Amino acid sequence: QSVLTQPPSASGTPGQRVTISCSGSSSNIGSNYVYWYQQVPGTAPKLLIYNDYQRPSGVPDRFSGSKSGTSASLAISGLQSEDEADYYCAAWDDRLNGWVFGGGTKLTVL
Amino acid sequence: QVHLVESGGGVVQPGRSLRLSCATSGFTFSTYRMHWVRQAPGKGLEWVASILSDGSSKYYAESVKGRFTISRDTSKNTLFLQMNSLRAEDTAVYYCARGSELDPWGQGTLVTVSS
Repeated sequence: QSVLTQPPSASGTPGQRVTISCSGSSSNIGSNYVYWYQQVPGTAPKLLIYNDYQRPSGVPDRFSGSKSGTSASLAISGLQSEDEADYYCAAWDDRLNGWVFGGGTKLTVL
Repeated sequence: QVHLVESGGGVVQPGRSLRLSCATSGFTFSTYRMHWVRQAPGKGLEWVASILSDGSSKYYAESVKGRFTISRDTSKNTLFLQMNSLRAEDTAVYYCARGSELDPWGQGTLVTVSS
């Protein structure tokens, strides 16, 4: 049971916009930054969004992050086949004194 | 560019020990906090441990507290994870990651705990 809650799966067709939600609590998302990682099966996770909505250089602006209260979202617009991957949200948890992750969302591009 | 390379994984019997290493290059190792994160086969990501840039503070997941020890050697730009009293549920790919944003990650090293 993950501390952060994500839907196990999401899907969309090429060109569509999809969103992935991440629900937490006051001790993690509610008081700390949210991070999003993309993991293509068989490879290491890659940082997609940091500090709630910032994009590292090299990450396309099709990817965007937002946060409100104790929930966060990752939006992917103009869906492409190469976006098919697992997506994880993460945040520091002040009560647990450690990082917490969502269970991951498997994105399928139909 | 920044590189993180894990090593030390393998097959080990329950109750035995293993020491993982994460060799780093391309950045000033001594100025970054570092982390270990693991992923059991077919499962999601689980944070294991973190250490501050100067090694003054260390943080552990409850599942490994008292069994695992994170450490760093600035002279070798290397991060370590000493894993004792290993259990079957510790079987996972272990990744090291850099900094406040956990970026980047190494390629991972597989630890299999089995008799």
